[in-house]
Amino acid sequence: GQQLNQSPQSMFIQEGEDVSMNCTSSSIFNTWLWYKQEPGEGPVLLIALYKAGELTSNGRLTAQFGITRKDSFLNISASIPSDVGIYFCAGQEGLTFGTGTRLTIIP
Amino acid sequence: ETGVTQTPRHLVMGMTNKKSLKCEQHLGHNAMYWYKQSAKKPLELMFVYNFKEQTENNSVPSRFSPECPNSSHLFLHLHTLQPEDSALYLCASSQRVNTGELFFGEGSRLTVL
Repeated sequence: GQQLNQSPQSMFIQEGEDVSMNCTSSSIFNTWLWYKQEPGEGPVLLIALYKAGELTSNGRLTAQFGITRKDSFLNISASIPSDVGIYFCAGQEGLTFGTGTRLTIIP
Repeated sequence: ETGVTQTPRHLVMGMTNKKSLKCEQHLGHNAMYWYKQSAKKPLELMFVYNFKEQTENNSVPSRFSPECPNSSHLFLHLHTLQPEDSALYLCASSQRVNTGELFFGEGSRLTVL
């Protein structure tokens, strides 16, 4: 089946730093989505991308749909404590998920 | 509050028990999904329902039996489970099937003894 490789697996950053994470696939996807999951909650959709090369922002979050259709990137600028959680990429209409990037903010 | 409610939030059962997980969505969506989330593994799609009809069964063992009586309710019936089935079971819905914009419930944490 399709696999999504997400990196890094975990990040430890200080408040105010920028964050970058990415997701790559062995297959071409028509849709890329980014979700965030906090403890005790289900994943929540952050950004959806439907076109190769598309760059979309949601507040301090920016995501890009790679032109090869096999990758996507998520950037978080000026991180704040509430950014803590696990970030998942998902492809192909959300039916394939990455392994997640766990973001921890060091006080 | 995502509009998708799952009950129970926590469930402990023995391998010979029969239990059910329930999911209800208040969003007017037409598609519903069951996912399994285990530690260190990606979310695994289990079942997809579109307008009450099952459109995908991702090679799930028969000890998991889904039921979708209408577009707003989804059940997962559990029987003779194994300890390795312990996980967080997440329900999700979307306006149309396979659009990708999923709304998840908070999950049901299942422990099989």
